[in-house]
Amino acid sequence: EAQVTQNPRYLITVTGKKLTVTCSQNMNHEYMSWYRQDPGLGLRQIYYSMNVEVTDKGDVPEGYKVSRKEKRNFPLILESPSPNQTSLYFCASSLGTSGRARHWRETQYFGPGTRLLVL
Amino acid sequence: GQQVMQIPQYQHVQEGEDFTTYCNSSTTLSNIQWYKQRPGGHPVFLIQLVKSGEVKKQKRLTFQFGEAKKNSSLHITATQTTDVGTYFCAPYSSASKIIFGSGTRLSIRP
Repeated sequence: EAQVTQNPRYLITVTGKKLTVTCSQNMNHEYMSWYRQDPGLGLRQIYYSMNVEVTDKGDVPEGYKVSRKEKRNFPLILESPSPNQTSLYFCASSLGTSGRARHWRETQYFGPGTRLLVL
Repeated sequence: GQQVMQIPQYQHVQEGEDFTTYCNSSTTLSNIQWYKQRPGGHPVFLIQLVKSGEVKKQKRLTFQFGEAKKNSSLHITATQTTDVGTYFCAPYSSASKIIFGSGTRLSIRP
């Protein structure tokens, strides 16, 4: 089954304790992205990756790191979590834009989400 | 940078009533996608609009892209309880960065 998986689904941690949220997709997608969702603010992009070893900042990258060593995995790292990073996090992937007509965007497939509470 | 406004933020309707959410951009868009997120779930792709004035239908859902390609709407006819959720627009910003509207949360009185 084609899917995006995230782990863990729920996490309670304390300020300053490093954590990693994993994301994996089995669709051979080039593009992967991380979002955070907060009430009233919708989905905001944290980081994205166009392909292996290619990552870039989204709109709210502060306090986060990512890596893309393999095509299928795109972990989100919080080196020193703070309470303002309490949020619902989604990983997403899409086929990519190479070879497509101009202005076309591929559908994004989202993972089930990770709810993070930082105390 | 690009500004996207989605209205209303909340809509509470009686089952069977219609519902509309609007997405307005400060700049001309190349295309726009719409997603639905059920309560406790993740966003799921609904549709993509590319052409000026384009109208697409999915059963009771009608999606429209403005002539000037600066706004879009999603209209649901005769809402059902299965329509409950938050609807997001995602205007095309660049091939890499993705922007989402703040969403419209639809709730329904049975």
